[in-house]
Amino acid sequence: DIHMTQSPSSLSASAGDRVTITCRASQSIRHYLNWFQQKPGKVPRLLIYGASNLQSGVPSRFSGSGSGTDFTLTISSLQPDDFATYYCQQSFNSPDFGPGTRVEIK
Amino acid sequence: QVQLQESGPGLVKPSETLSLTCTVSGGSLSGFYWTWIRQPPGKGLEWIGYVHSSGNAQYKSSLRSRVTIQVDTSQSHFSLILTSVTAADTALYYCARYSPDLAAFDIWGQGAMVTVSS
Repeated sequence: DIHMTQSPSSLSASAGDRVTITCRASQSIRHYLNWFQQKPGKVPRLLIYGASNLQSGVPSRFSGSGSGTDFTLTISSLQPDDFATYYCQQSFNSPDFGPGTRVEIK
Repeated sequence: QVQLQESGPGLVKPSETLSLTCTVSGGSLSGFYWTWIRQPPGKGLEWIGYVHSSGNAQYKSSLRSRVTIQVDTSQSHFSLILTSVTAADTALYYCARYSPDLAAFDIWGQGAMVTVSS
């Protein structure tokens, strides 16, 4: 099975900050990496698919990059609505999620 | 647009069987993988498995001996059966659609909380 890790596990940031979250796979997953946002008590929302493709309706301040084993999610200017937990997820084979990164208000 | 809604018992006794149904409205089941994902309280997301509209299913290896996911395209629903449950199976269970075009879970239900307790 492919194991997914994320760093950091949590971070504190202020509105307007540039935020970067890293996801690493235990083996190459090519570009089969997705990012989800989950707010407390809410359903996960697909942000990025295929490592770098913005899902319809997602603000352009979100972007994704990477391939192989190393990926990043970047929020160019953090907004109050962005405080949430972010999960990466691989679809290269049997799907699996990373443990999540909690983005908190500084 | 496509919407998913989970239904089923909220309480299951240890060693018994958990059964949930996800009803799909607003679209066809054809060509997609219909998925169950769970989230224990305060924890992360865990893929359980999915079934293609053709009926072919794949499961998380650690759950394979206890899980069955089936689809009924005529009734526009799919189901999860998890046998021999323990407290570790207590979770919010989501159904979701996996789009092969996106290779991603693009539509989710609201989730159904299932507690395993005597």
